[in-house]
Amino acid sequence: GIQVEQSPPDLILQEGANSTLRCNFSDSVNNLQWFHQNPWGQLINLFYIPSGTKQNGRLSATTVATERYSLLYISSSQTTDSGVYFCALREGGKLIFGQGTELSVKP
Amino acid sequence: DAGVTQSPTHLIKTRGQQVTLRCSPISGHKSVSWYQQVLGQGPQFIFQYYEKEERGRGNFPDRFSARQFPNYSSELNVNALLLGDSALYLCASSSGPLDYSNQPQHFGDGTRLSIL
Repeated sequence: GIQVEQSPPDLILQEGANSTLRCNFSDSVNNLQWFHQNPWGQLINLFYIPSGTKQNGRLSATTVATERYSLLYISSSQTTDSGVYFCALREGGKLIFGQGTELSVKP
Repeated sequence: DAGVTQSPTHLIKTRGQQVTLRCSPISGHKSVSWYQQVLGQGPQFIFQYYEKEERGRGNFPDRFSARQFPNYSSELNVNALLLGDSALYLCASSSGPLDYSNQPQHFGDGTRLSIL
């Protein structure tokens, strides 16, 4: 099955800093999603990005499916960005999640 | 429009008991999936239902079962609860079956199940 690896596992930032989170996957696929899980456990869709680049405010994502990776950029980080960021890929009828990157933004 | 709704939000049970968790998908969505997330890990797939039929099952024991109703809502049942069943249970919906649809999944807020 598809293997999904995320890096780094943990990240601590000062408010206002920028960061890049990486998701590597084992197969060339075209259905990647990024999620943010806030400290209350809510899993929020950030991007559905099979390929190319998308931007939403301070967040943007790029997927290069042929090279089997995706990047999530967070600019001018805020304390509300804290939580765990997951990438997930579809295999048949299910999503395969990575282990996540836990982000902590300090004021 | 309402998102995916799950009930209850929190639940405490003891070992050996049975539990039923409920999920209502986004209006117009016909596919519902269930995931288990234990502390420190990513969600793990349990079931997918589409048009009331099971479309996929993850690597979970037969103590776990689910069904989907004509209004596309769904229930997840877990029998003979074990301490290791303590987790956040997430429901997700999408407009079509995941194995054929390129539409994203949208998750509910989850039910946090604690087993004592």
